[in-house]
Amino acid sequence: KQEVTQIPAALSVPEGENLVLNCSFTDSAIYNLQWFRQDPGKGLTSLLLIQSSQREQTSGRLNASLDKSSGRSTLYIAASQPGDSATYLCAVTSYTGANSKLTFGKGITLSVRP
Amino acid sequence: GAVVSQHPSRVICKSGTSVKIECRSLDFQATTMFWYRQFPKQSLMLMATSNEGSKATYEQGVEKDKFLINHASLTLSTLTVTSAHPEDSSFYICSASRVSYNEQFFGPGTRLTVL
Repeated sequence: KQEVTQIPAALSVPEGENLVLNCSFTDSAIYNLQWFRQDPGKGLTSLLLIQSSQREQTSGRLNASLDKSSGRSTLYIAASQPGDSATYLCAVTSYTGANSKLTFGKGITLSVRP
Repeated sequence: GAVVSQHPSRVICKSGTSVKIECRSLDFQATTMFWYRQFPKQSLMLMATSNEGSKATYEQGVEKDKFLINHASLTLSTLTVTSAHPEDSSFYICSASRVSYNEQFFGPGTRLTVL
């Protein structure tokens, strides 16, 4: 059974700092990995999706990497801003197809201090 | 593109009543829709997977008679919480995927509070 772990559960950094959020998964046979952002009381916003054949994806100040063999992914946030404060969730898809299921980690709650 | 809506965004009801939550894909046809539940400071837990025109597949531990799911069209799925109790209070989120795409698009969620 696939398990996704995100540690630490919470992180507080000063504005401007570059930071890395970690995600690990137990079964390396994944189809893709996704990072989401969730603001309090809101739904999920997809940030980056990495296919299993890819090593990384970039969008603006965000960069996500994937090391499938070791079961790890990182989300790098450059020059953090208070508006980046949110919970960041990592999720993996273990097989392809429209019915494929996402397994989520518990998320990392990020607070960026002005 | 790939917008998913949910209605209502929040609902408060009395214990024992039934509540229906709608999930709609606004600009694409969703062959599959997923229903998740999220408790405070916890991750999303998949409740069930529904395909248009067929019965939903429930995850282990989810009561089928408690959480009724209907996926009557390619753009609409509904979750009905029957005889709701305070322990059913939670954040319910739906997602939708389409043929040939291996990505789920999420709705904004529905906050259910049962008094």
